[in-house]
Amino acid sequence: QQQVKQSPQSLIVQKGGISIINCAYENTAFDYFPWYQQFPGKGPALLIAIRPDVSEKKEGRFTISFNKSAKQFSLHIMDSQPGDSATYFCAASMEGSQGNLIFGKGTKLSVKP
Amino acid sequence: ETGVTQSPTHLIKTRGQQVTLRCSSQSGHNTVSWYQQALGQGPQFIFQYYREEENGRGNFPPRFSGLQFPNYSSELNVNALELDDSALYLCASSSIDSASPLHFGNGTRLTVT
Repeated sequence: QQQVKQSPQSLIVQKGGISIINCAYENTAFDYFPWYQQFPGKGPALLIAIRPDVSEKKEGRFTISFNKSAKQFSLHIMDSQPGDSATYFCAASMEGSQGNLIFGKGTKLSVKP
Repeated sequence: ETGVTQSPTHLIKTRGQQVTLRCSSQSGHNTVSWYQQALGQGPQFIFQYYREEENGRGNFPPRFSGLQFPNYSSELNVNALELDDSALYLCASSSIDSASPLHFGNGTRLTVT
């Protein structure tokens, strides 16, 4: 049973465009939703995270939108750059279990110059 | 601030053998989590250690075991290796504080032949 479903599997965006990656979850006990960025040969690095008491969080070019009733959240990358080309993972965890992240399967983003 | 470091970076083992992977947590962190990332997949939670004891476990068999030492470093041991154990093994550290995000190392690439 996949508790966090991520789409699309891959995404190609032109430089300067907006990249949008979506995730849906099933467990209403989840209360922490981070996004991680992973480059080849590297470990995942935390980009931005949100808790369900807010509907949106923005950090620089990265924005998380959160829809609690639909059990969905998404990552928007504004003004996408070739350096943003990486694999992005959404994840979720329950209160008190932040070390136990349930990850989506990942989205491979390619930003074309 | 020293990040999470893992050793070795690559390892080749034969089916049936045993392996030990090592992790030094980021300074100031007191919990360590281990994840398995198969090729093209998101990381899967193996277990977490806090105060030298297992503090949560994912859906992995008992031949996956771990240790945490007084300096918060950790080991992952896998006995009776199987071909499907070939993966990137990631260590992540954090503070037990529920607001503390996970910081990942760059992983150990294990190949079982």
